[in-house]
Amino acid sequence: EDKVVQSPLSLVVHEGDTVTLNCSYEVTNFRSLLWYKQEKKAPTFLFMLTSSGIEKKSGRLSSILDKKELSSILNITATQTGDSAIYLCAVGLFTIQGAQKLVFGQGTRLTINP
Amino acid sequence: DGGITQSPKYLFRKEGQNVTLSCEQNLNHDAMYWYRQDPGQGLRLIYYSQIVNDFQKGDIAEGYSVSREKKESFPLTVTSAQKNPTAFYLCASSMTQGDPTLHFGNGTRLTVT
Repeated sequence: EDKVVQSPLSLVVHEGDTVTLNCSYEVTNFRSLLWYKQEKKAPTFLFMLTSSGIEKKSGRLSSILDKKELSSILNITATQTGDSAIYLCAVGLFTIQGAQKLVFGQGTRLTINP
Repeated sequence: DGGITQSPKYLFRKEGQNVTLSCEQNLNHDAMYWYRQDPGQGLRLIYYSQIVNDFQKGDIAEGYSVSREKKESFPLTVTSAQKNPTAFYLCASSMTQGDPTLHFGNGTRLTVT
């Protein structure tokens, strides 16, 4: 069974701290790993990673994939209260029909206190 | 503005009733998806559709049905056979069937009592 596990499930830090969120997976037919941010309702896309060891950056957020360890991390530096959200990790798999199906982890609820 | 519209935002139903959740997109995306989100469990795939008039079961399709008669629309029916229907339902779309970057709607929170 394809499985994606995120840790920690919940994290509370102070504004300005740096956080690292973890995602590990055990899947067949791996194609990609994606990170989404869910603030209230609709998750929004952050990063897609397909190659091991290549860091993707967007402002204070960065992410890297380790295919040998079957894992990825999402780093957020100099956190702000607006970073408070649920962060979802998803792994894209090939399907028999040629589509790409996403399997999601449980999410990490990040709370940034002022 | 292009996007995905889900309606209604909140839905209350009595046990034993079927209910249909609406999802419309104007992004001209080929693929559409329905996910269910429960606390502590992340998102689980119910159904997905790659093209009009075609759809496949996801991981938790039992008790649900869908149709894809138009490219823009992918309604989800929660039937009385779904044993635990109370949840947050998210509709999503992607440009093509091979594109993993999903665009999500704002969701429908269904409560069945």
